[in-house]
Amino acid sequence: DTEVTQTPKHLVMGMTNKKSLKCEQHMGHRAMYWYKQKAKKPPELMFVYSYEKLSINESVPSRFSPECPNSSLLNLHLHALQPEDSALYLCASSRRAGGDFGEQFFGPGTRLTVL
Amino acid sequence: DAKTTQPNSMESNEEEPVHLPCNHSTISGTDYIHWYRQLPSQGPEYVIHGLTSNVNNRMASLAIAEDRKSSTLILHRATLRDAAVYYCILRAYNAGGTSYGKLTFGQGTILTVHP
Repeated sequence: DTEVTQTPKHLVMGMTNKKSLKCEQHMGHRAMYWYKQKAKKPPELMFVYSYEKLSINESVPSRFSPECPNSSLLNLHLHALQPEDSALYLCASSRRAGGDFGEQFFGPGTRLTVL
Repeated sequence: DAKTTQPNSMESNEEEPVHLPCNHSTISGTDYIHWYRQLPSQGPEYVIHGLTSNVNNRMASLAIAEDRKSSTLILHRATLRDAAVYYCILRAYNAGGTSYGKLTFGQGTILTVHP
């Protein structure tokens, strides 16, 4: 199984809502990532988890809260978002975070709209 | 992070070779050169990566200049399915560094393939 799955595919939420995005992989990868992609822009890294520990936070606002409960699962908890947070949220995984473990496998993304 | 420079767009005809250039004059000795592509409405897809030597895989070839300040992604026979945004990315090798595992996407090259 060489797939990264993300749920839901689409999410519409109000600014006062709390929601979560879910990402799952069963490739035995020990590094997982969250990226944000605005329309017609390249993906931007948000968080890196290595061996279930947060190793990189790219100064992401606290209204985005990542969680890695086990090596296969990555969540992104959303609270009090702003309309400008509307974007495609991509999850990725790789065997390890560093060294010559080149390939990151990306999921199809969750399209988030904040009203 | 070391930066890459790519042409905004390139065009090719189907079944012809495509050479996608990338300049990275500030590359450090421990930066890997990665290429990803993103098809419309999909997450990015790993294409190839290398450090110093030229690399081949089933999707493409990567030619790296001797001084490592530039590289070229070669698609040997373009198909319509190869129409995508191609990203050239430098990825730090070092474990424990602040950029450990980090992929920083630039603007990429939009490749159009004509039938």
